Amino acid sequence: QVQLKESGPGLVQPSQTLSLTCTVSGFSLTSYNVHWVRQPTGKGLEWMGVIWTGGSTDYNSALKSRLSISRDTSKSQVFLKMNSLQTEDIATYYCAREGVAFDYWGQGVMVTVSS
Amino acid sequence: DVVMTQTPVSLPVSLGGQASISCRSSQSLVHSNGNTYLHWYLQKPGQSPQLLIYRVSNRFSGVPDRFSGSGSGTDFTLKISRVEPEDLGDYYCLQSTHFPDTFGAGTKLELK
Repeated sequence: QVQLKESGPGLVQPSQTLSLTCTVSGFSLTSYNVHWVRQPTGKGLEWMGVIWTGGSTDYNSALKSRLSISRDTSKSQVFLKMNSLQTEDIATYYCAREGVAFDYWGQGVMVTVSS
Repeated sequence: DVVMTQTPVSLPVSLGGQASISCRSSQSLVHSNGNTYLHWYLQKPGQSPQLLIYRVSNRFSGVPDRFSGSGSGTDFTLKISRVEPEDLGDYYCLQSTHFPDTFGAGTKLELK
């Protein structure tokens, strides 16, 4: 069955780089786009970016200068890297598959920014 | 970016009752291919968002027929009939017609 699972450190120091991995199963990264969405605690959802089936990427313009998404198709993994983290980046980060919509989501990983 | 305005922010309901949530977009969500990429999600407390309705009115796999979506252009509605306890949570609309994808701010469905 389709599954996505985010992993990565829950704590990042201010100004440092966040690195997250989304490991997928039940589908191929060359057949489905994968998106990253984040949600500050108690707030709404923000689309961050996407890696398309062909490997190209698009980003939210508000994050574009700090954000990079890549993948390793052989490992069925999608990577998110975002630098210069600040307290406003404290959120739960989700990866989601784009089928008919964002139809399957990971369970999310909560990221705190603190020294 | 397309702004998605969801109302109400909070919606008290009685179990067994009906709920209606509105989502309005700042521009038409009809894509050049003729499809309208407006979707609805429910996020239960402590869980990831789950897809309920895709492309305005199509129920996703396993979603009860108590959930229905309608609308066109810039004005969309999610209706929930015979509300059950598992329907409580935060509802979000999402548009994927225009880049970037944008979400509504959410509607909290709670018990009256």
